[in-house]
Amino acid sequence: GDSVTQMEGPVTLSEEAFLTINCTYTATGYPSLFWYVQYPGEGLQLLLKATKADDKGSNKGFEATYRKETTSFHLEKGSVQVSDSAVYFCALKKSNTGKLIFGQGTTLQVKP
Amino acid sequence: GAGVSQTPSNKVTEKGKYVELRCDPISGHTALYWYRQSLGQGPEFLIYFQGTGAADDSGLPNDRFFAVRPEGSVSTLKIQRTERGDSAVYLCASSLDGESTDTQYFGPGTRLTVL
Repeated sequence: GDSVTQMEGPVTLSEEAFLTINCTYTATGYPSLFWYVQYPGEGLQLLLKATKADDKGSNKGFEATYRKETTSFHLEKGSVQVSDSAVYFCALKKSNTGKLIFGQGTTLQVKP
Repeated sequence: GAGVSQTPSNKVTEKGKYVELRCDPISGHTALYWYRQSLGQGPEFLIYFQGTGAADDSGLPNDRFFAVRPEGSVSTLKIQRTERGDSAVYLCASSLDGESTDTQYFGPGTRLTVL
């Protein structure tokens, strides 16, 4: 069945370091891809999305490119801040269904 | 504007009891979703409403779980004969029209603990 796999966490970085969180998916057809973020004590928020191959989603300095050839949607940020500490979830959604299929989440901790 | 709200924020119950969890979606959103998130895991889909009808209930784990949305706005997730394994955070989300590229907006969740 359809699934999303994220890199294991936690990921611990120093402030201003470069961030990559890997995400790969398995799905038939052409799903839309999403990154959601959950800050401590808060609900899930959409960070960015891409709806077709080669699209790049971006927001708050984060970027991810929809790569159909490698079935990947890796999240990147050039310089992380302490305030980026959160749990990040990669997800996909098929065109014929309303449901989001999430990865297991990756915890990011940024130290000053 | 107001986001998705869920009540109660926490619910503690005993094994075998019945519980109801409520979700108030963003005004004007026709699509509503329920997910369940266990500790250390990503949310798992339960059911999706388009208007008043359940468009996809394939994620409901068994017949103890049921959800309604009688007027196309507020939804209630009902769990009968609760079991300890039902303990989780139950998340509700809504979106404008349920299209595949539609953004789902999540509520803060209800933490259910079954003793």
